[in-house]
Amino acid sequence: GAVVSQHPSWVICKSGTSVKIECRSLDFQATTMFWYRQFPKQSLMLMATSNEGSKATYEQGVEKDKFLINHASLTLSTLTVTSAHPEDSSFYICSGGVQAKNIQYFGAGTRLSVL
Amino acid sequence: GQQLNQSPQSMFIQEGEDVSMNCTSSSIFNTWLWYKQDPGEGPVLLIALYKAGELTSNGRLTAQFGITRKDSFLNISASIPSDVGIYFCAGRQGQFYFGTGTSLTVIP
Repeated sequence: GAVVSQHPSWVICKSGTSVKIECRSLDFQATTMFWYRQFPKQSLMLMATSNEGSKATYEQGVEKDKFLINHASLTLSTLTVTSAHPEDSSFYICSGGVQAKNIQYFGAGTRLSVL
Repeated sequence: GQQLNQSPQSMFIQEGEDVSMNCTSSSIFNTWLWYKQDPGEGPVLLIALYKAGELTSNGRLTAQFGITRKDSFLNISASIPSDVGIYFCAGRQGQFYFGTGTSLTVIP
């Protein structure tokens, strides 16, 4: 149980285009979803926290107009990287939170390469 | 956000050896979690701990919630090549905080 599906797993796009990443909790309802960015050989860097039906809370230094997060249902959250640039290239990981268990279950991640 | 101090940063061990790593914080937590991340994948939950002093096993893995609630330990017994990866601790008190990771290499 507690499976989080994230796709695409890998995306290559041209500079200036937008990319959408989907995160779905398949067998549980995630009242909270988290979006992380991870640089090579580093820990997870929290970008934003979203609760179903409300606006996401962004961490300091994360541009909310660049990284659009939508959490329309208890099983789906999306991250859209708008007007992507090469410096946005990274590994993005989502997770779904199970409040009662104080646990996050992670998706498999999305490798974004901006040319 | 705050990151937890995790050590060692990396380990190179022979297959069959036992492994120990730990995570410390200046704050107390009500939950400690241990994850493993393989290259190019998301972290996978290994063990969740909810009470100070709690000792929980998952196969060859054993984790403990420190008595002070400010630390946690993960032990892997009789390591095998597939144990290779990065291990992260996470603590929760309101928010989640993640450790800096321990990179484990197992030499056959």
